[in-house]
Amino acid sequence: DQQVKQNSPSLSVQEGRISILNCDYTNSMFDYFLWYKKYPAEGPTFLISISSIKDKNEDGRFTVFLNKSAKHLSLHIVPSQPGDSAVYFCAAKRIQGAQKLVFGQGTRLTINP
Amino acid sequence: DAGVIQSPRHEVTEMGQEVTLRCKPISGHNSLFWYRQTMMRGLELLIYFNNNVPIDDSGMPEDRFSAKMPNASFSTLKIQPSEPRDSAVYFCASGPGGEQFFGPGTRLTVL
Repeated sequence: DQQVKQNSPSLSVQEGRISILNCDYTNSMFDYFLWYKKYPAEGPTFLISISSIKDKNEDGRFTVFLNKSAKHLSLHIVPSQPGDSAVYFCAAKRIQGAQKLVFGQGTRLTINP
Repeated sequence: DAGVIQSPRHEVTEMGQEVTLRCKPISGHNSLFWYRQTMMRGLELLIYFNNNVPIDDSGMPEDRFSAKMPNASFSTLKIQPSEPRDSAVYFCASGPGGEQFFGPGTRLTVL
């Protein structure tokens, strides 16, 4: 049972445009969501997070939106830069109790010059 | 801070051999996680420790897999005997809660 889903395995965006990566979850107990970025031959690195009490969190070029009723979150990158080319993982957890993160399958983002 | 340290970075072994992966978490982090990444299953949690105690090992695929954390600065993931389907990248991560910080991973190839 895939509790966190990233339905787009890949996305290609032109440099300077907006990149939108999507993530859906099924477990209504999740109340904390994270995005990780992964370059080849490196471990995932934390990018941005949001708790369920908010619907938006912004950090520079990166903004995460959360729609609890739809169990959907998205990561917006604007403007997109070539260095943003990587695999992006969405993850979810419950703040109380277990520390485990449940990851999506990842979306490979390619920024074209 | 050196971040999470994993060794070896690459391991090639033959089926049936024992494999031991090592991890040094970030100092002060009280949670440690072992993940496996494959093309088919993505990034899946194998086991995690809190204050050196295993909390959830439900992701460990079989009895061939075992993990230990003898102290706050060291953990091992052992596969005995190894099989070709164990070939994957294994990540260790640590965290104080909330975000997790990943090591560079160990790429394991079992021939």
